[in-house]
Amino acid sequence: DGGITQSPKYLFRKEGQNVTLSCEQNLNHDAMYWYRQDPGQGLRLIYYSQIVNDFQKGDIAEGYSVSREKKESFPLTVTSAQKNPTAFYLCASSIGGGGPEAFFGQGTRLTVV
Amino acid sequence: GDSVTQMEGPVTLSEEACLTINCTYTATGYPSLFWYVQYPGEGLQLLLKATKADDKGSNKGFEATYRKETTSFHLEKGSVQVSDSAVYFCALTGTASKLTFGTGTRLQVTL
Repeated sequence: DGGITQSPKYLFRKEGQNVTLSCEQNLNHDAMYWYRQDPGQGLRLIYYSQIVNDFQKGDIAEGYSVSREKKESFPLTVTSAQKNPTAFYLCASSIGGGGPEAFFGQGTRLTVV
Repeated sequence: GDSVTQMEGPVTLSEEACLTINCTYTATGYPSLFWYVQYPGEGLQLLLKATKADDKGSNKGFEATYRKETTSFHLEKGSVQVSDSAVYFCALTGTASKLTFGTGTRLQVTL
């Protein structure tokens, strides 16, 4: 089945540690996105990538980093510089080029302990 | 830049009531418009879409019409069910394939 997979579903991190969230898609989509969702809030764009080896900052990129070495993969690293990392993180992909809809993973809930 | 504004929730309705969730947008050019739905603890699923002015998207009894003159894409359903309880997001893709979301509207349907 084609789709977009995020792992893990739940993640706990100690303060001061970096952590990487995985996002893999087998839809052959060019564009991939990372969003952050806080309780009762909408989605805020962290980073997006329209093509392999290229990505752009979204609205809240500070304290996060990404890579896009393969078309299928777009991992997100939450660094220790992110002051309030506890949130629900959603990865999405789309064909790209504007217009078509995005497909979402099931999300990763990150909690800092 | 692009932006989406949707009505704040929560919206609480009795089963079989009519639903309208307002959504307006600001964008350059001709964006595509979407409604997504999110059930508790899950990612977002596409509910419906419209890619040009006057298009009507529809799915599962929900519908929305792309109104360029009023820059709106209101979500409607004639008779809601308890299973429709979820958070609904209005969104658009505009320049640079960037998907922009509204803040979401929580719908609670009671018996």
